[in-house]
Amino acid sequence: ETGVTQTPRHLVMGMTNKKSLKCEQHLGHNAMYWYKQSAKKPLELMFVYNFKEQTENNSVPSRFSPECPNSSHLFLHLHTLQPEDSALYLCASSQDRVGAEAFFGQGTRLTVV
Amino acid sequence: GQSLEQPSEVTAVEGAIVQINCTYQTSGFYGLSWYQQHDGGAPTFLSYNALDGLEETGRFSSFLSRSDSYGYLLLQELQMKDSASYFCAAHSGGGADGLTFGKGTHLIIQP
Repeated sequence: ETGVTQTPRHLVMGMTNKKSLKCEQHLGHNAMYWYKQSAKKPLELMFVYNFKEQTENNSVPSRFSPECPNSSHLFLHLHTLQPEDSALYLCASSQDRVGAEAFFGQGTRLTVV
Repeated sequence: GQSLEQPSEVTAVEGAIVQINCTYQTSGFYGLSWYQQHDGGAPTFLSYNALDGLEETGRFSSFLSRSDSYGYLLLQELQMKDSASYFCAAHSGGGADGLTFGKGTHLIIQP
């Protein structure tokens, strides 16, 4: 248990569906992140939120829409996804300083059919 | 852009020592971290090097040479539970910058 909780753990959705991934941390961290992990590829940073403000968006398609209502919660809203978006989506949090340890959730295994 | 290179797979024997190398090319560099991920698990932090040299934490040590854009993770007295994937990750900005990860090295421990 890392202190970062993601739900759901598994999700199967059709290409026309809309779903949301949820991430929650109560570690007192001010920075939260979404990463995508695909087979044979590095973890890809998608979004960074620092004090609820989005500070980085790594050219992620608009079918992925993040939301950070407060420093403890992070969402990733999904709509009209493609099969190639199937992957493990990991949420992480950290203190807002370089070199700070990132704490990862267990991830949501997403399958787009 | 940023990229990190590490071997895709390393095999070692229980009780031995293994070194996992990482070379990086980044537009900005503040330090190198290492993470461990077991199958089906979350990545967990192992170490962080901001300065050149060796950092030791129990059986694990991590080294950084900024002039060579190179680092490594050294695992000693290998145990079966060390079988996992190991990722190097570069910090490229100040504050909460997120990490750029390598593709990971799958470490296989044989009895």
